Amino acid sequence: DAGVTQSPTHLIKTRGQQVTLRCSPKSGHDTVSWYQQALGQGPQFIFQYYEEEERQRGNFPDRFSGHQFPNYSSELNVNALLLGDSALYLCASSLSGAQTGELFFGEGSRLTVL
Amino acid sequence: KNEVEQSPQNLTAQEGEFITINCSYSVGISALHWLQQHPGGGIVSLFMLSSGKKKHGRLIATINIQEKHSSLHITASHPRDSAVYICANSGGSNYKLTFGKGTLLTVNP
Repeated sequence: DAGVTQSPTHLIKTRGQQVTLRCSPKSGHDTVSWYQQALGQGPQFIFQYYEEEERQRGNFPDRFSGHQFPNYSSELNVNALLLGDSALYLCASSLSGAQTGELFFGEGSRLTVL
Repeated sequence: KNEVEQSPQNLTAQEGEFITINCSYSVGISALHWLQQHPGGGIVSLFMLSSGKKKHGRLIATINIQEKHSSLHITASHPRDSAVYICANSGGSNYKLTFGKGTLLTVNP
């Protein structure tokens, strides 16, 4: 049973570019949450997708957008990249958005913006 | 505003020592999560609890809802326990987790 998989694992972009990160949830999970973790900090909630819709959003600008597909996989898109967007981006899956249930995290995508 | 504070930020121990990491939060919760993050970045869920105490192997997590405080204990610590330990709660929302900054634990042989 595959856990949460994320791609790519590492990538380097330059300021102003756009990036797309991908996440496949654990088998049977229908909810995907995205987090940004800057170096030395705890993860910060970006948004959560359930039933192909953004259900809740953290304090991130509109440059951060996402999508969920019918197979529950998800993408995170960041436009007009800034140096400060350099971080580890984590995806977590759960069942029906329940924050009272166990979360499963991917290994993350480490984005470096030059 | 939901705030999660962890202490200590850094902890160094000798193999075999008993470890305690603390987590305090400011708003009522649906659930409190303890997570482990290794240097590569991946996060593993250790516990999810909303009351009382849970035990898994050498790890024990407790929570006091009235005091808005949780602790993670590691008995007979081992160098392989070296990692960042993070607590997170849902702050009453079913959708959004707020994380502490983490506690970097180093266990020396």
